[in-house]
Amino acid sequence: NAGVMQNPRHLVRRRGQEARLRCSPMKGHSHVYWYRQLPEEGLKFMVYLQKENIIDESGMPKERFSAEFPKEGPSILRIQQVVRGDSAAYFCASSAGTGVSPLHFGNGTRLTVT
Amino acid sequence: AQTVTQSQPEMSVQEAETVTLSCTYDTSESDYYLFWYKQPPSRQMILVIRQEAYKQQNATENRFSVNFQKAAKSFSLKISDSQLGDAAMYFCASDTSGGSNYKLTFGKGTLLTVNP
Repeated sequence: NAGVMQNPRHLVRRRGQEARLRCSPMKGHSHVYWYRQLPEEGLKFMVYLQKENIIDESGMPKERFSAEFPKEGPSILRIQQVVRGDSAAYFCASSAGTGVSPLHFGNGTRLTVT
Repeated sequence: AQTVTQSQPEMSVQEAETVTLSCTYDTSESDYYLFWYKQPPSRQMILVIRQEAYKQQNATENRFSVNFQKAAKSFSLKISDSQLGDAAMYFCASDTSGGSNYKLTFGKGTLLTVNP
């Protein structure tokens, strides 16, 4: 029973390039969440998606960041024109619903911008 | 903005002994959950224990228990009979989505070392 799968595990991009981070939720989970962990910090909420819908994007930077969770396939967090400040670990979590269902996190993608 | 404060950047404990990690939080929500997550070197975030704020009874999961003081907004984690596998970064978190449990605010973490 696979957990939340994120890939790649490590991603290196040069300034100005695009970064695409992928997340496959646990089987049976239709709710996906993205969090970002800056060095020496705790995780910070970015966005909550259900299939084909963004439910809450209050933690997403206004520019260059976007997220989707299509009907088929993994959720994608896309960062355009990356800058050094985007270097962080990006975590995806999934759940069967909200409320009592706990979040199950993946192992994260560590993005390094050179 | 809601905040979660972990005042101990690092803690150490001898194997088989007990250690308590501190956490305080600030919330305006009336209904919320509190969590402790463990992050080993593998980087995966693993849920250790959670507490519903309206429940007065402290949550317990095997060797892990919490001391929840709602009025003081304190939520400490006690690890009994510490094992080498408990070594990790521990994060305290509060739910800021009004009980929906998806928008968590995390503290900066406490790095726990377990000495053999």
